[in-house]
Amino acid sequence: AQSVTQPDIHITVSEGASLELRCNYSYGATPYLFWYVQSPGQGLQLLLKYFSGDTLVQGIKGFEAEFKRSQSSFNLRKPSVHWSDAAEYFCAVGAKEYGNKLVFGAGTILRVKS
Amino acid sequence: EPEVTQTPSHQVTQMGQEVILRCVPISNHLYFYWYRQILGQKVEFLVSFYNNEISEKSEIFDDQFSVERPDGSNFTLKIRSTKLEDSAMYFCASSEVVETQYFGPGTRLLVL
Repeated sequence: AQSVTQPDIHITVSEGASLELRCNYSYGATPYLFWYVQSPGQGLQLLLKYFSGDTLVQGIKGFEAEFKRSQSSFNLRKPSVHWSDAAEYFCAVGAKEYGNKLVFGAGTILRVKS
Repeated sequence: EPEVTQTPSHQVTQMGQEVILRCVPISNHLYFYWYRQILGQKVEFLVSFYNNEISEKSEIFDDQFSVERPDGSNFTLKIRSTKLEDSAMYFCASSEVVETQYFGPGTRLLVL
């Protein structure tokens, strides 16, 4: 069965510090991978995506993520966090072999302290 | 930038009542989806829709649920007889091609 694990439920970082949010997946097919962000009361905004090619992908708001096939991971990073980055972050995985549906992780709530 | 929109943003209903959640996907998109997120739980896939028919549905999407694209712009999710456990945030999404889905802001449904 397909599954996505985000091992950290909450993370707190200081403003200006670097950030890494972890995502591991278990899939029986070549996945395509996404990170979405949800601010309170808002919908899911696409941060970045990986389909193929360069395993380091750049997204909006200064985020990047690296696909590591050997570790089945797709971790999200940002070199310097801003207070406005406080939100919940979701990793999601899909594959053509499993139709169009996305499987989501449980989310990581990011708190930024000043 | 084009966005997926959803109405209403909040809906409160009595158990057993029918509700219709509405979505306007991005205009040139061909694939449409509904997901839901029960409070404190993961976002879960409900159904995908393409070429005026359901292409895939989850085990959650039972006979109480239906989807429709009544015209060229709207995409609706109907819950025929709501249960307490249907209380959740419902997200509509659309995509131009299969891979990249763009989500709306959600409808928070509360069943009393």
